[in-house]
Amino acid sequence: GAGVSQSPRYKVAKRGQDVALRCDPISGHVSLFWYQQALGQGPEFLTYFQNEAQLDKSGLPSDRFFAERPEGSVSTLKIQRTQQEDSAVYLCASSLLNRESNTEAFFGQGTRLTVV
Amino acid sequence: QKEVEQDPGPLSVPEGAIVSLNCTYSNSAFQYFMWYRQYSRKGPELLMYTYSSGNKEDGRFTAQVDKSSKYISLFIRDSQPSDSATYLCAMRTLSGGSYIPTFGRGTSLIVHP
Repeated sequence: GAGVSQSPRYKVAKRGQDVALRCDPISGHVSLFWYQQALGQGPEFLTYFQNEAQLDKSGLPSDRFFAERPEGSVSTLKIQRTQQEDSAVYLCASSLLNRESNTEAFFGQGTRLTVV
Repeated sequence: QKEVEQDPGPLSVPEGAIVSLNCTYSNSAFQYFMWYRQYSRKGPELLMYTYSSGNKEDGRFTAQVDKSSKYISLFIRDSQPSDSATYLCAMRTLSGGSYIPTFGRGTSLIVHP
């Protein structure tokens, strides 16, 4: 596809349920980022992949959050035993990797997770 | 204190006004500065980016960086109702392995006809 695709767009989970959020980055993009955006807040960094390697997961709020990108393309963010404070929009972004200059990070439309 | 501070607004202006949006930051290692626009229920889209201090103009938009004051601005001339959105500043370092953008919380802009 032409852009970053995320699915599902909306997810309602009962507290304690596990959820999996999918991100299809732009073809050929090396870098992939996950962000969490609470209502009225800016995106907060969760984790970063360069190809299949997870280089930074310092933003994951707890060990209930897990992300993978096994073949260096599609990525999945999994949240186990969801809690109400996990309710947010989860944004995925991808970009080319170019150390010499800025490269644009393209965002998907996000997955809005509501935990009830 | 967050690394990037941004007033959430809302900022309400009449059509045609000049809008000034600002962010301050604390990490002196930030080198790339970006402005994203986010419409309701959409992902952020990049408007402009600048490298280090200086000005950059693109149509009705001007981005300004003052590294000595750790202060960045986005000016919108002749604002239109279609400019109504949340504007997010973001910035990142040059060095290191991950080049992760750090975002402000966004300023909500409302341009009324």
